[in-house]
Amino acid sequence: SYVLTQPPSVSVAPGQTARITCGGNNIGSKSVHWYQQKPGQAPVLVVYDDSDRPSGIPERFSGSNSGNTATLTISRVEAGDEADYYCQVWDSSSDPHVVFGGGTKLTVL
Amino acid sequence: QVQLVQSGAEVKKPGASVKVSCKASGYTFTSYDINWVRQATGQGLEWMGWMNPNSGNTGYAQKFQGRVTMTRNTSISTAYMELSSLRSEDTAVYYCARVGISSSWLFDYWGQGTLVTVSS
Repeated sequence: SYVLTQPPSVSVAPGQTARITCGGNNIGSKSVHWYQQKPGQAPVLVVYDDSDRPSGIPERFSGSNSGNTATLTISRVEAGDEADYYCQVWDSSSDPHVVFGGGTKLTVL
Repeated sequence: QVQLVQSGAEVKKPGASVKVSCKASGYTFTSYDINWVRQATGQGLEWMGWMNPNSGNTGYAQKFQGRVTMTRNTSISTAYMELSSLRSEDTAVYYCARVGISSSWLFDYWGQGTLVTVSS
């Protein structure tokens, strides 16, 4: 099965930039989606197809994907951005077809 | 507005089955696939499978093959996920999620989650 690797935690001060990585074999050839999950809530899509944002998601959230690493970048981090973040891909040739990374806890210092 | 509203929490004994519902509103139910994802306490997201509400076609992760069944009732815009032969490791929050318009299976709307507790 396809494996996505995320760092367990990332810490950043308010106003700084947070970068959360998602590693996978040749992930640059796949479309990567990112979800934000706050405690007790369902995940929310924040970036899709590597770098697109759903309506209502601030421009502070952006994404990139190349080679073996996809990255979610959160600029001008706010306290309200503290959450778990998950990357996700679809791979029809693997089982399971939908794969999530293990998640990254973003702490705003 | 698009909403997915799930049924309430369940407590089941080992070996029993559970059936979770997911009622869709605010869009044409048969136009978007529904997937199910679960999350054990303090753990990450785990994909279980998908269902096409129009055709009823399904696909399940191998881990759950033989134990999970995904169905729907189009007359009431509701999807169901039934998991049988429950064990303690199945204790988790179960989410339904809609697949957005994309070729790459993004989940644009999620239900609020249903906690299933398996305990003797």
